[in-house]
Amino acid sequence: DIQMTQSPSSLSASVGDRVTITCRASQSISSYLNWYQQKPGKAPKLLIYAASSLQSGVPSRFSGSGSGTDFTLTISSLQPEDFATYYCQQSYSTLYITFGPGTKVDIK
Amino acid sequence: EVQLVQSGAEVKKPGESLKISCKGSGYSFTSYWIGWVRQMPGKGLEWMGIIYPGDSDTRYSPSFQGQVTISADKSISTAYLQWSSLKASDTAMYYCARLEIFSSGWYFWSWFDPWGQGTLVTVSS
Repeated sequence: DIQMTQSPSSLSASVGDRVTITCRASQSISSYLNWYQQKPGKAPKLLIYAASSLQSGVPSRFSGSGSGTDFTLTISSLQPEDFATYYCQQSYSTLYITFGPGTKVDIK
Repeated sequence: EVQLVQSGAEVKKPGESLKISCKGSGYSFTSYWIGWVRQMPGKGLEWMGIIYPGDSDTRYSPSFQGQVTISADKSISTAYLQWSSLKASDTAMYYCARLEIFSSGWYFWSWFDPWGQGTLVTVSS
């Protein structure tokens, strides 16, 4: 099984801050990595697929990078609506999927 | 608009059976895998399994194999998640999601989009 870890598990930030979340895979997964945003009481929403491709309709302040085992989600200027929990997910094993444990972003 | 609509919240007793549903619309239901994801209260996302409604090919996470059954009825564009004997530890929000697959040569990228709104299952005596 491919295990996913995320750091930090939570962070506090202010509106306008640059925020970086890291995801690490237990083995190389090339660019088979997706990012989701989940707000309280809502279903997850796709932000980034294939490590760095921005999903249609997602603001350009979100970006993804990385390959192999180490990946990053960056929010260039945090907005009030971005306070949420963020999950990475590997799709190296197309039909055997693993999510990371999540990173909660809250207001400082 | 591609949409997945899940059945409503359920309150059950331990030992009871349950089947929840996920109805797809706005796309060819038989051409995309549908996955199920569990989220226990205050916890993260756990992938449970996935089904291809076109031929009912089904794969399970080892953690959920034998604990739940995933099925689909392509005639009504609906996928299902069922339990034969619920436990208190099955209390959770359950999401369905469509698996989008992009291929380039030998390589396949996949991601979940869209997601259903979730079905809250509460198991309590």
